[in-house]
Amino acid sequence: DVKVTQSSRYLVKRTGEKVFLECVQDMDHENMFWYRQDPGLGLRLIYFSYDVKMKEKGDIPEGYSVSREKKERFSLILESASTNQTSMYLCASPFPGERTEAFFGQGTRLTVV
Amino acid sequence: KNQVEQSPQSLIILEGKNCTLQCNYTVSPFSNLRWYKQDTGRGPVSLTIMTFSENTKSNGRYTATLDADTKQSSLHITASQLSDSASYICVVRVRGGYNKLIFGAGTRLAVHP
Repeated sequence: DVKVTQSSRYLVKRTGEKVFLECVQDMDHENMFWYRQDPGLGLRLIYFSYDVKMKEKGDIPEGYSVSREKKERFSLILESASTNQTSMYLCASPFPGERTEAFFGQGTRLTVV
Repeated sequence: KNQVEQSPQSLIILEGKNCTLQCNYTVSPFSNLRWYKQDTGRGPVSLTIMTFSENTKSNGRYTATLDADTKQSSLHITASQLSDSASYICVVRVRGGYNKLIFGAGTRLAVHP
């Protein structure tokens, strides 16, 4: 019954490391999104993709990049991790259409030390 | 600026009691409003979706209301259970485009025995 899966629940990385967060969906959706969630701020959109090899910046793309080589997989990349990127990262994949569900992964809690 | 504001920020109630969470939004153009439940360390799970023409939507003990004129929504939880302890997030979708969602910061509900 799992629809959106993130590869790690918890990650601890060192400052300056390159970090890969993986998200896989099994619903054959075109759209996939990466958000970060911080206390008191709600979810903020980092990047999204509407097709293979297509990507668009969200509201807070600085310090991040993404990769979408296959339809089912959307990767978030922290080129050089910093402590202010410590956060909960959520991947989402919505059904197309207005009255539709957006399924979220279980989240990855990333700590940069 | 598109914004979603929720109140209260946190709430403690006793098991069996009712409660109401509030959501005010300034999002245009409006498409729909969603309430999500997020357990600690998990991704959000949808409770209800309401479009402009819908005033009330129920999902078990959860009832959401929408007043599109005043741009307010509420989520009423009846006969609360310990398992209702979670964050409740109000999300408004912007009409058109790539399914942009505007998230509130959430209300953290704690149900005590």
